[in-house]
Amino acid sequence: KAGVTQTPRYLIKTRGQQVTLSCSPISGHRSVSWYQQTPGQGLQFLFEYFSETQRNKGNFPGRFSGRQFSNSRSEMNVSTLELGDSALYLCASVTGTSGANEQFFGPGTRLTVL
Amino acid sequence: SQQGEEDPQALSIQEGENATMNCSYKTSINNLQWYRQNSGRGLVHLILIRSNEREKHSGRLRVTLDTSKKSSSLLITASRAADTASYFCATDEIGNAGNMLTFGGGTRLMVKP
Repeated sequence: KAGVTQTPRYLIKTRGQQVTLSCSPISGHRSVSWYQQTPGQGLQFLFEYFSETQRNKGNFPGRFSGRQFSNSRSEMNVSTLELGDSALYLCASVTGTSGANEQFFGPGTRLTVL
Repeated sequence: SQQGEEDPQALSIQEGENATMNCSYKTSINNLQWYRQNSGRGLVHLILIRSNEREKHSGRLRVTLDTSKKSSSLLITASRAADTASYFCATDEIGNAGNMLTFGGGTRLMVKP
């Protein structure tokens, strides 16, 4: 089985712009979660999508949004970028519906906001 | 926000030695997982221990869980240079819907050949 893929791998944007990141989960996995990783805040949960519905949302401003398509691929969008949004954005796909399952992470998208 | 702290934040050992990393968390959990991350890449799942388990082994890995102390430890025996990475604990908190995990701050392990 192919692993979790994320595109693009690297992205450079300027303040005020918006960005869309994509995540393709492992075939058959219906849950996709997104995490932000920064040196200062560590790994923080953004949101989770399951069967095209947002099931959980972390403590992030409304500038962060996401969606999931019928093929389970997910996108996250960050509008009005700020310098503090520079981070590694990771997505994870899971086969099950609870937290009792191994999560498979993609390689991440490194976003730099100038 | 992060669930808790990992200790130590950084650890440097020689190849062949054992490495022990500790994780403390704040709330009641369903299970705790350990992940490894190489150089800012994706995380790789290592082991999952449920709240009713006290110890679990997988190859050179040994994980313990003490729910009364809200802590866990990861022991890597006979370490290798390839074990150099950051290690994170992640908790599935009781009351959380879905697959949300709360991560600790991580331990950076360096294994010198």
